[in-house]
Amino acid sequence: IAGITQAPTSQILAAGRRMTLRCTQDMRHNAMYWYRQDLGLGLRLIHYSNTAGTTGKGEVPDGYSVSRANTDDFPLTLASAVPSQTSVYFCASSDPGQADTQYFGPGTRLTVL
Amino acid sequence: GQSLEQPSEVTAVEGAIVQINCTYQTSGFYGLSWYQQHDGGAPTFLSYNALDGLEETGRFSSFLSRSDSYGYLLLQELQMKDSASYFCAVSLLRGSARQLTFGSGTQLTVLP
Repeated sequence: IAGITQAPTSQILAAGRRMTLRCTQDMRHNAMYWYRQDLGLGLRLIHYSNTAGTTGKGEVPDGYSVSRANTDDFPLTLASAVPSQTSVYFCASSDPGQADTQYFGPGTRLTVL
Repeated sequence: GQSLEQPSEVTAVEGAIVQINCTYQTSGFYGLSWYQQHDGGAPTFLSYNALDGLEETGRFSSFLSRSDSYGYLLLQELQMKDSASYFCAVSLLRGSARQLTFGSGTQLTVLP
């Protein structure tokens, strides 16, 4: 693994279904983030984790949950997907003292029908 | 709350110089970052300004004026591969850690 990986690359999901987006990094960064990117709205922070065992809410957390059991993994779960959650999801990581320099994964394109 | 404004689109020709402006209104400001994103790709870090002034990295430079809540990204000797979206992002303190809030992005098109 080099950097950040995300899975799946893309997914089509029926509304109401549960979905977990996976994110793994091998840079030993303490801080990790989940963003969604919608056309014309840039990147919006969903949840973040400054270190393993802690998480926090970002700008648009409703409908999403995260966990951080270890340094490398930061999964994002949609408990019951809705069409408004159709978006491209990016995971990122950084050293906690350098949040301005974030490294992004390749993204997951999610479509909720 | 906070807000960032940057132009939605900029067009320039190969070899030219282009400036992408970013104005912000926020509290708890630490600095201004710039990211590049090609179509279908991941955002990649370009530069960060914590202090007033110009930071230069090769063909790219970034400027910050904290008193004016304003910054810009300057791209020189434009190349076709510079066609991409460019995002400014303010670094803010939330709780005990800094986080980024991104602007909506500027789509740069470089013409031959």
